[in-house]
Amino acid sequence: DAKTTQPPSMDCAEGRAANLPCNHSTISGNEYVYWYRQIHSQGPQYIIHGLKNNETNEMASLIITEDRKSSTLILPHATLRDTAVYYCIVSPSYNNNDMRFGAGTRLTVKP
Amino acid sequence: KAGVTQTPRYLIKTRGQQVTLSCSPISGHRSVSWYQQTPGQGLQFLFEYFSETQRNKGNFPGRFSGRQFSNSRSEMNVSTLELGDSALYLCASSWAGSRSTDTQYFGPGTRLTVL
Repeated sequence: DAKTTQPPSMDCAEGRAANLPCNHSTISGNEYVYWYRQIHSQGPQYIIHGLKNNETNEMASLIITEDRKSSTLILPHATLRDTAVYYCIVSPSYNNNDMRFGAGTRLTVKP
Repeated sequence: KAGVTQTPRYLIKTRGQQVTLSCSPISGHRSVSWYQQTPGQGLQFLFEYFSETQRNKGNFPGRFSGRQFSNSRSEMNVSTLELGDSALYLCASSWAGSRSTDTQYFGPGTRLTVL
């Protein structure tokens, strides 16, 4: 019952920006957009989250459309170590410990 | 600051047995959530504990249970193991889970194989 839609897979050239889209057309006003990634057989790693403003940290940027129905995670200079499954999740601020993960996007960074 | 730790990392059991998995959250975190990850179903929420009380529960049978101790460490138990319980069990912790800036941090997981 994930509330997001992501492409199953994407490729990106090493050193280029990776832009990962996510649709969340039924997002509610109190729900945040979270991004995690999971490298094979490890626990998911938190990347970034936001409500309606664009956000940036040392790992990535998050661009949320004005209507909040979609967002894009940007890895500015992808490296081979960024190869992973990326999950986009919407979760209310009052209950963000019950995260509903979808299938995610498998990003492959190629040399 | 040390991350979320889970023990054991790997476990092999047979059908009908029970198993207990342990999770130590990040120091200062009071909320612990458990997830099951399988190739077929993906990552699914099991339950969340906060201040020794189960605060939220996913759609899993009663064979799956958990508890949290006063130091926030948590255990989950699976009784009468079935082949379908083979999975990666992940634990995640956060400070309190009720603030917009709160974030869950995951441990490395316990890989359970049921034979």
